[in-house]
This record gives sequence, C-alpha cells and structure tokens, in this order.
Amino acid sequence: AQSVTQPDIHITVSEGASLELRCNYSYGATPYLFWYVQSPGQGLQLLLKYFSGDTLVQGIKGFEAEFKRSQSSFNLRKPSVHWSDAAEYFCAGRSYSGGYQKVTFGTGTKLQVIP
Amino acid sequence: DAGVTQSPTHLIKTRGQQVTLRCSPKSGHDTVSWYQQALGQGPQFIFQYYEEEERQRGNFPDRFSGHQFPNYSSELNVNALLLGDSALYLCASSTTVAIEWARYGYTFGSGTRLTVV
Repeated sequence: AQSVTQPDIHITVSEGASLELRCNYSYGATPYLFWYVQSPGQGLQLLLKYFSGDTLVQGIKGFEAEFKRSQSSFNLRKPSVHWSDAAEYFCAGRSYSGGYQKVTFGTGTKLQVIP
Repeated sequence: DAGVTQSPTHLIKTRGQQVTLRCSPKSGHDTVSWYQQALGQGPQFIFQYYEEEERQRGNFPDRFSGHQFPNYSSELNVNALLLGDSALYLCASSTTVAIEWARYGYTFGSGTRLTVV
C-alpha cells in the first residue's frame, strides 16, 4: 500500500539546535511528497513539497527536506530551531485511485522546543 | 483571496445525533476532500468530491456522507454519532488543473472541532 511512515512520535530539541524529522515512504517511481505543520487546534500549513527535479527542497520558515530514493526517505531539516517551531509535523504523499488523487498522511511527529 | 472556510469552528453533539459540517473551498478550486483527525493522530481521509459526486472514499462507514454543491462548496454529514467520532474535521480544497495542483497541492481549512458527549 502507498503510505508514509514517521517513526518518531515525539522529539525534543533545544532552541538554536538543528532539527531532523524522519519520513519514509512507500510509493511508486515518482512520489509526490509533502511536509505540513500544524499548531495546536489549527489546520495544516504546507511547509514544502517534492514532485521532481532537485532532491533538496526549500520551504517556508527556513525548513528544507531531502528526497533520497535509495533510502525511500524524505526527511525534514532545519539548521536552527526557534521556540515558535514547536508544533506537530506531518509527512504526506499523493496517490491516485480511479484517476483521482488524494493525499495520505503519516501519524505525525510532535516537536517540543526547550529554552 | 480567501482560503478554505469551515463552519462551525466548534460543535458539541450528543451521542446518536446527526451533524452537518460545511466547507467553502479556495477560489478557483473545484475539488473538496474531507479528513478526520482524532486527538494525537494524523488526518485520515474520509472522502473526496468533484463535480458534485463522491470520487474516492476512505475506510469510513456509511454514517459518513457528503455533498458538493454547484458552487463547489461541500458538506460533511455524520449520522448516529458515536463518542469515537469526536475529532477535528478538516476540509482541503484543490484543483484538477495539473499545473496548479503541482504548484499548490491542497489548501486546508482550520477545521471543525466536533465533540460528542
């Protein structure tokens, strides 16, 4: 089945430290992959996406992600975390069914930032 | 340009009742997808509407139904509410225009928080 897996449920980092959130995918040859962020009680905001081309993708808020086909991974990174980055992060992938596309989400990684 | 609008923002219902949630898609979008997000979980796909018809459905019972109107807005109906239906319900709009989808993907609303007591 086409899916994404986020192995880390909860991550704690110090403010100013670097961050890497893991995502593994199980999709076909050309996966469309996304990272979303969700603040408490809010909807989902798109951070970045990968469709094709350069495997290092830049997003908003200083985030980037690297697509690695050999490892079936699409990890999210940030060089220096700010307290406002505390939120839940979801990796997602696009699939097709009957000619219609839908996005399937991972279980999320909750990021805690400590001073 | 307005994004995705969902109403109401919060709702409390009693077990066994019925509820209707509403979604207005982003201007220019013609497809609406609904997701259920239980506390501490990732969003789960309920169904998707395009051209006023349900095009895809996730693993949800028939108690969950929907509708899309000619103006592309959509409703999610849940009958015979169970305690387990308590969740954040998210609406996502998108376009079938491939180049636009590739550029913007889904746009999400802020959700409707449904509590069943």
